[in-house]
Amino acid sequence: ETGVTQTPRHLVMGMTNKKSLKCEQHLGHNAMYWYKQSAKKPLELMFVYSLEERVENNSVPSRFSPECPNSSHLFLHLHTLQPEDSALYLCASSQDRGQGTNYGYTFGSGTRLTVV
Amino acid sequence: AQTVTQSQPEMSVQEAETVTLSCTYDTSESDYYLFWYKQPPSRQMILVIRQEAYKQQNATENRFSVNFQKAAKSFSLKISDSQLGDAAMYFCAYRSAPWVDSNYKLTFGKGTLLTVNP
Repeated sequence: ETGVTQTPRHLVMGMTNKKSLKCEQHLGHNAMYWYKQSAKKPLELMFVYSLEERVENNSVPSRFSPECPNSSHLFLHLHTLQPEDSALYLCASSQDRGQGTNYGYTFGSGTRLTVV
Repeated sequence: AQTVTQSQPEMSVQEAETVTLSCTYDTSESDYYLFWYKQPPSRQMILVIRQEAYKQQNATENRFSVNFQKAAKSFSLKISDSQLGDAAMYFCAYRSAPWVDSNYKLTFGKGTLLTVNP
C-alpha cells in the first residue's frame, strides 16, 4: 500500500468517550502533520512532528493529544471532546530533508469526526 | 504571519472550456513555495501544481498552469479543457522556504468550489 492512510474514515463519539485517530504513511517521509478542516474555515494546523519529535503545537486544547511512535505512524488521541470539535481531521506527511525534498504535503483521506 | 486569500467561493465552467481560479497572498518573505491542492468529494487533498518563488517561469502540469505574479503576490490557477473529474474544492497554499523560516506550516486559503457543467 502506498501514500497516507487514515483510520477510521468516520467516527461518532460522545463527549465522555476516549478514541484515537490513526495515520500511517508509506512514503518514507520524515515529517507528519494533523490538520483540522471545518466548514467555511481554512484548514487549521494542529500538530507537526519532524523525525518523531513534536516541533509545533498551535495552541490546541489538551483534549487532543498527539503521539508519534515512529516516522511512519501518527495518532491523535481524543477525550472529553466538545460538539464544536466535529470536523474532518486530515493527516499529512512531507519530506523535508535529504533526498526527495520538495516541501509539499501528501494527505490522507481524513477522518470525519462527529461529537454528540 | 502569512495569509492566503481566495476571493471566489464558487466557480463554474462548461466542460472543455477554460477556467481561472484566483489566489493572492501576503508575505514579507522573498523565498517561499506556493501550491494548489484539489479536494474532491472523496476528501483526499491532491497536489495539483507547485511553484517555487525564486523561479520566474510559471509551472505547468498537463492541463493545469499557473500565472505567478510575485510583485503582485498573485498565484492564479488555469484549468484548460475542463473535465467532469475536475469538479472539486481547490485550495491555494503557502509555505515559507526552510532556509528563511524553519516553520513547517502550510497556510491555506478558504478554497474555491469548482463545478463543471456537462
